[in-house]
Order: sequence, then C-alpha cells, then structure tokens
Amino acid sequence: SQQGEEDPQALSIQEGENATMNCSYKTSINNLQWYRQNSGRGLVHLILIRSNEREKHSGRLRVTLDTSKKSSSLLITASRAADTASYFCENAGNNRKLIWGLGTSLAVNP
Amino acid sequence: DTEVTQTPKHLVMGMTNKKSLKCEQHMGHRAMYWYKQKAKKPPELMFVYSYEKLSINESVPSRFSPECPNSSLLNLHLHALQPEDSALYLCASRPAGTSNTGELFFGEGSRLTVL
Repeated sequence: SQQGEEDPQALSIQEGENATMNCSYKTSINNLQWYRQNSGRGLVHLILIRSNEREKHSGRLRVTLDTSKKSSSLLITASRAADTASYFCENAGNNRKLIWGLGTSLAVNP
Repeated sequence: DTEVTQTPKHLVMGMTNKKSLKCEQHMGHRAMYWYKQKAKKPPELMFVYSYEKLSINESVPSRFSPECPNSSLLNLHLHALQPEDSALYLCASRPAGTSNTGELFFGEGSRLTVL
C-alpha cells in the first residue's frame, strides 16, 4: 500500500526547544491526523486537520496543512522530556484508503 | 469509557500453537481495526470490521483469522504462525460512518513473539 513520507525520520532536541516534523503524500490529502506513540505502546490521537483547514492549534501543538504541496507539518513548542515518542501522520486519502506516514522518532533531552 | 482494551499484553507461541488476541471497546464504535506493527515502522492495516461485518482484508495470510462476535468485541485467531509474524498487534476503533476520517482509538497492543 502507498505510504506517506515523514521527515525527519529521527529528531533529537533539548528540552524547551521547538520540534517540527513534516508529512507529505503522493495522493491528495483528506482530513489528515497526527498520532503519538510511546515506545511499545498504542497510538494516541493528537489532532485532526480537515482538508479545508490550513492551520490548527491544540495546546503546545500547531499543525499546518498545504494541500497544494500535499504536505502537513506538526510543531511542538517548548518541548518536554515527556514528548519523547514517535509521531505518525495518517491520511484518509481521496479513496478512503488509510495511508500512514513512516513516522518521526523524537528524542527530547533534559 | 474511552478505552480500547487488548488482551493479552504479551504472548509467546510456537509455530504449531493456536492462540487468540482479544479486543474490547464500549464506546459504541461500529468500526474496528486490526493493525500489525513492526519496530520503528508505522502500523500496517490488516482487517477492518464495519457494523460487525468484515469490510477490508488487506491480503492477510489465512493463518490470521479475524472474528467480530458483537459490536464490542474483536478477536484475532492465530494458527501456524511464522517467526516473522512476531510484532505488536494493535486494535483500534472509530465511530462508523466517518468515512475513515474520524479519530482512531487504539488499545495498548499485544506483543506477539513466535518461536
């Protein structure tokens, strides 16, 4: 199945810094969602951005969507050690087929 | 109750064993999913049940057999597995009728090791 691409694949920052990760697709983007996964655990939904939205905020999270570039970015501001996790994007696509990005592994160092 | 509960958390089985993974949710969600996830990879969709009927089978080998006995339960029966089937198996649910665009609620997963 087709997969989205996320970059960077791994990111290491210091506590307090901002973390930005990106997600791009070859298909059109339709209601893109971001999830977080702590090591070996289930995924937790973070935020949904609809195809007619350009930006969305939730606490320290900011998500942008550029449908012309078929890409989205997730910004975590003022990062904490507890933000250390893998982050995945999921795109419903234009044929309702679920497509996951490859994920970004974020390490926030205290 | 916004939980998806999976049991067992860990399972070790031989290639000739028969075992089952179980998943339960009481959120009234009518779409339930099985995913397989290898380390440092995204989840791979295996099966989708919608209103207790199998709606998607992503060409999964027949040694994996899903079952949805009712709207709250989802099972994955395992038989004659291979070592490469070792992975984290994730169950998820979402309200049906959202065209795959609603939030997915995941369980914590069952870590399967096939010897």
